[in-house]
Amino acid sequence: DIQMTQSPSSLSASVGDRVTITCQASQDISNYLNWYQQKPGKAPKLLIYDASNLETGVPSRFSGSGSGTDFTFTISSLQPEDIATYYCQQYDNPTWTFGQGTKVEIK
Amino acid sequence: EVQLVESGGGLVQPGGSLRLSCAASGFTFSSYSMNWVRQAPGKGLEWVSYISSSSSTIYYADSVKGRFTISRDNAKNSLYLQMNSLRDEDTAVYYCARDASYYTRGNAFDIWGQGTMVTVSS
Repeated sequence: DIQMTQSPSSLSASVGDRVTITCQASQDISNYLNWYQQKPGKAPKLLIYDASNLETGVPSRFSGSGSGTDFTFTISSLQPEDIATYYCQQYDNPTWTFGQGTKVEIK
Repeated sequence: EVQLVESGGGLVQPGGSLRLSCAASGFTFSSYSMNWVRQAPGKGLEWVSYISSSSSTIYYADSVKGRFTISRDNAKNSLYLQMNSLRDEDTAVYYCARDASYYTRGNAFDIWGQGTMVTVSS
C-alpha cells in the first residue's frame, strides 16, 4: 500500500503570509494527488485536483504542484477564512489514501 | 443545487448493525460513481468504500472488508452502506462523496454530504 506523509501537522501564520504544506508518497503516484480543505464541523471541500488543477470556484491564492512522490500545496496570502485543516489524497487503483492533515491557524 | 444528504447514523452496541443512506439531488445520480469516507472523532479522513455508477465495480478498505456492504438504487437516487459486526473503532462521522473521475485523473471527490455520526459503544 502507498503511504502518504503530510507535513507539518500544524502551523501558525499571520494574515497575508505564504503558507506551504507538503505531501510525500511512498512510491510514484504520477499526478494522482488531490487537496481538500475541511473547516471545523464541516465536510471536506475539494480545492486542487491532479496535483495542480484549481477546482472551479476556488480562489486563486490556492495552488498545488509536484509529481511522482513529492507534492506541495500553497496559500499565497493567508486569509482569516482559510483557517481549516488541509488534507492531501492519493489514488492508487483501487484504493484512496489521505494524508494525516495539516491544521492551519492564524498567529 | 447539487446535494448529498446522509442519514441513518446513531448509537449501536459492539457487534450490532446499522444501515446508512445518502440521498442525492441536483445531478444525474446514475451517471456517477460514489464513495463512503469516514472520520473518527478528532482524527483524519479514511476512505471506506467505492461503487461504480452501475454497481458493477465495488471496492472496500481492508478495515471494513467482509463487514460492510455498499449498494445503490439509481431509481431512488440513493447510496447505502450496510454495516455489520460493528466495532468500537468504527465510531466516526460517515460522509458520502461523489467521484469526480469524469474530469480528474486522480479520482477526486468533488461533492460531499454533511455526514452522519455513528457511535459504537456498550
